Amino acid sequence: QKEVEQDPGPLSVPEGAIVSLNCTYSNSAFQYFMWYRQYSRKGPELLMYTYSSGNKEDGRFTAQVDKSSKYISLFIRDSQPSDSATYLCAMRRDNYGQNFVFGPGTRLSVLP
Amino acid sequence: DAGVTQSPTHLIKTRGQHVTLRCSPISGHKSVSWYQQVLGQGPQFIFQYYEKEERGRGNFPDRFSARQFPNYSSELNVNALLLGDSALYLCASSLSPSGANREQFFGPGTRLTVL
Repeated sequence: QKEVEQDPGPLSVPEGAIVSLNCTYSNSAFQYFMWYRQYSRKGPELLMYTYSSGNKEDGRFTAQVDKSSKYISLFIRDSQPSDSATYLCAMRRDNYGQNFVFGPGTRLSVLP
Repeated sequence: DAGVTQSPTHLIKTRGQHVTLRCSPISGHKSVSWYQQVLGQGPQFIFQYYEKEERGRGNFPDRFSARQFPNYSSELNVNALLLGDSALYLCASSLSPSGANREQFFGPGTRLTVL
């Protein structure tokens, strides 16, 4: 079993839809959770960073962490064609080092 | 301000050769990490360097090595290339490896193709 599981998609939605992206993980030692967006042929770009269970909102993006279920989500409201990209979840065990564990990514297409 | 820069952009090598990839972090950032991203997968951690010292190593063979220079730029070296080394190699920099300044910023990557 992989440490981090993520539906690879592709996921296609119409413009304006609410998008839900999810990751599950198996290692309860993970404490820090991140969502990255990666456009084709570009490096990943950090979208959201959370530590505790609960919700964190930033503009059209909401990150949700449920440590008891080992489940994290990213919601995108009012999705735009410019949101079309691969979304990667990432996790780390402690507050030191950059040993992030990434999910395989979900490809999202927002159709105009 | 310039972001993380990597060179070269693309590289084609044959099996058995070696390769050197380069990374310049964001000005003021002292921590550099390297990741390998195979097509269709998420990045996998290879190395982290901070203040020229190795601070972390992922599950990669000894054919992979890296170093960080006094100006905080970094090189990733891969010897005896295998077909399976074909991937996008990403460099990420941060102010420090821990605390409030641990946010990583990724470069555009170097796409390595091994024939």
